[in-house]
Amino acid sequence: KAGVTQTPRYLIKTRGQQVTLSCSPISGHRSVSWYQQTPGQGLQFLFEYFSETQRNKGNFPGRFSGRQFSNSRSEMNVSTLELGDSALYLCASSRDNGANYGYTFGSGTRLTVV
Amino acid sequence: SQQGEEDPQALSIQEGENATMNCSYKTSINNLQWYRQNSGRGLVHLILIRSNEREKHSGRLRVTLDTSKKSSSLLITASRAADTASYFCATDGGSQGNLIFGKGTKLSVKP
Repeated sequence: KAGVTQTPRYLIKTRGQQVTLSCSPISGHRSVSWYQQTPGQGLQFLFEYFSETQRNKGNFPGRFSGRQFSNSRSEMNVSTLELGDSALYLCASSRDNGANYGYTFGSGTRLTVV
Repeated sequence: SQQGEEDPQALSIQEGENATMNCSYKTSINNLQWYRQNSGRGLVHLILIRSNEREKHSGRLRVTLDTSKKSSSLLITASRAADTASYFCATDGGSQGNLIFGKGTKLSVKP
């Protein structure tokens, strides 16, 4: 079966711009979580969506937002980009609760803010 | 905030040797998971061990969990060059119901 698909793979944006990243989970998986990975902070939890509802949210500013569609595909948006937003953004899907059963991750979107 | 802390931060071994990575965490957990990440790619789920289990095997992987010491170890036996990657432990102790990852152990297996 197809894995978790994230698009685009690479992105370069300018400070102040906004960006939208996309994630298509494994078919049948209703939970989608987003993580930010940087060399300094490691993997930081952004938010989780389940059946189109945000179920959990990490400690990120309001510039980071997301949504999930009826087909479980998810998008995350970062507005007013800052240099510190440069990171690998990872999407992870699970059937129900990845914290209890494990996640399948996508290959990530590498965002560079210049 | 980091829940899990892996030790060592980096490990370099020869092919065929065993690799052991340790993880310590702070709060009570229901389960602990190990993931592998090849350079700049997504994470791959390796194994999940529940709090009532002490040891679990999967192929060349052996995971132990000591809840009294709040620690876990991942052993990779007979390592191969293809095992070169970063390995992360993750616990379900997140206050938001999420997984919390450690900063990982970077394993290098030399042929």
